[in-house]
Amino acid sequence: SQQGEEDPQALSIQEGENATMNCSYKTSINNLQWYRQNSGRGLVHLILIRSNEREKHSGRLRVTLDTSKKSSSLLITASRAADTASYFCATAGSYNAGNNRKLIWGLGTSLAVNP
Amino acid sequence: NAGVTQTPKFRVLKTGQSMTLLCAQDMNHEYMYWYRQDPGMGLRLIHYSVGEGTTAKGEVPDGYNVSRLKKQNFLLGLESAAPSQTSVYFCASSYGTQETQYFGPGTRLLVL
Repeated sequence: SQQGEEDPQALSIQEGENATMNCSYKTSINNLQWYRQNSGRGLVHLILIRSNEREKHSGRLRVTLDTSKKSSSLLITASRAADTASYFCATAGSYNAGNNRKLIWGLGTSLAVNP
Repeated sequence: NAGVTQTPKFRVLKTGQSMTLLCAQDMNHEYMYWYRQDPGMGLRLIHYSVGEGTTAKGEVPDGYNVSRLKKQNFLLGLESAAPSQTSVYFCASSYGTQETQYFGPGTRLLVL
């Protein structure tokens, strides 16, 4: 069962532009994680944001979390061709919601950055 | 540190054959996972382990078996391969069930 749903499914931008992708989820969470997957490779962890955090930064990445709207966004600034990849969100359900304690994965956003 | 490694990288099987995929991690993680990834389906959890000697079923366990005899290794077995098991298989490990997962490079399996 999918908890996180990324939007859009696919995104194509020019190098230097910003890329924004969103993740929505259904039940309360302890944390939300973003991962990147380059074509044919394993997933790589980007950022983990906990339910009591609203924003986190890592280099050119900015993640926001709005628990009232049950949504998160990943912003990549000044994109590069090397950012071309699929981006996945994964949610960790909260203890008191009786949620599955394992990570639940979205279907991903495919980002193409054109040189 | 090698992180998470998987062998083999690619394999072709005929229907009915069996094989074992090996995952190894050198981060002393308690938790290990096997996923399969199919186009348009995202990651689906097959089996997981919360420690040496333990295994548990995930979302799509049918047709697969696993073993975790050593903390650093997690084996995924296909007893009688079917074309529906054609997929890319990823192993991952983590300190906790809700913490960051570290992935291997994947095994591409084609069942004819």
